[in-house]
Amino acid sequence: GAGVSQSPSNKVTEKGKDVELRCDPISGHTALYWYRQSLGQGLEFLIYFQGNSAPDKSGLPSDRFSAERTGGSVSTLTIQRTQQEDSAVYLCASSSMGGHGELFFGEGSRLTVL
Amino acid sequence: GIQVEQSPPDLILQEGANSTLRCNFSDSVNNLQWFHQNPWGQLINLFYIPSGTKQNGRLSATTVATERYSLLYISSSQTTDSGVYFCAVADSNYQLIWGAGTKLIIKP
Repeated sequence: GAGVSQSPSNKVTEKGKDVELRCDPISGHTALYWYRQSLGQGLEFLIYFQGNSAPDKSGLPSDRFSAERTGGSVSTLTIQRTQQEDSAVYLCASSSMGGHGELFFGEGSRLTVL
Repeated sequence: GIQVEQSPPDLILQEGANSTLRCNFSDSVNNLQWFHQNPWGQLINLFYIPSGTKQNGRLSATTVATERYSLLYISSSQTTDSGVYFCAVADSNYQLIWGAGTKLIIKP
């Protein structure tokens, strides 16, 4: 696609529910990143994919968080048993060459856990 | 690991003023990027600038890799320039390290 697409743009859920966030990167971009941003804060790295593999999962905050990428394209970030502290904007970015190349961001998915 | 420091943390200017934002990094980097996050949260890539100088309209950036810093210049500021400016560097493993950002407010 023309840009990085994320869905849903907004998600309100109840504590304890599972949520899935989707990222569709720019066509042909092999590298995909997930970040989290709380209100007024900087970017918190979650996970990085190169193709379908995730060489760096170091940022996932707990085992309730998981992510996968299939076909070297779309990625899904899943949060199980959501907690209020999971409330944030989840940002996806893609690059044609991983850390070598320019990074392009989607508009984010705003998650609110009640 | 590499440390990235941005200064100033906050900047308030009148429309029409010029500004310089700085990004210092503690070790050699493979590349450096500047981003603007607008008040609605959208992150836009401004410059991919591992070294040298680039210009795009009222914005320009210079990276002096040997001295481990980069500067972002904004001339004739407009209210639409408001937001947070981030720099991010790639370390020797091409992992991205982010600065904490400079929050810029342009008053009309």
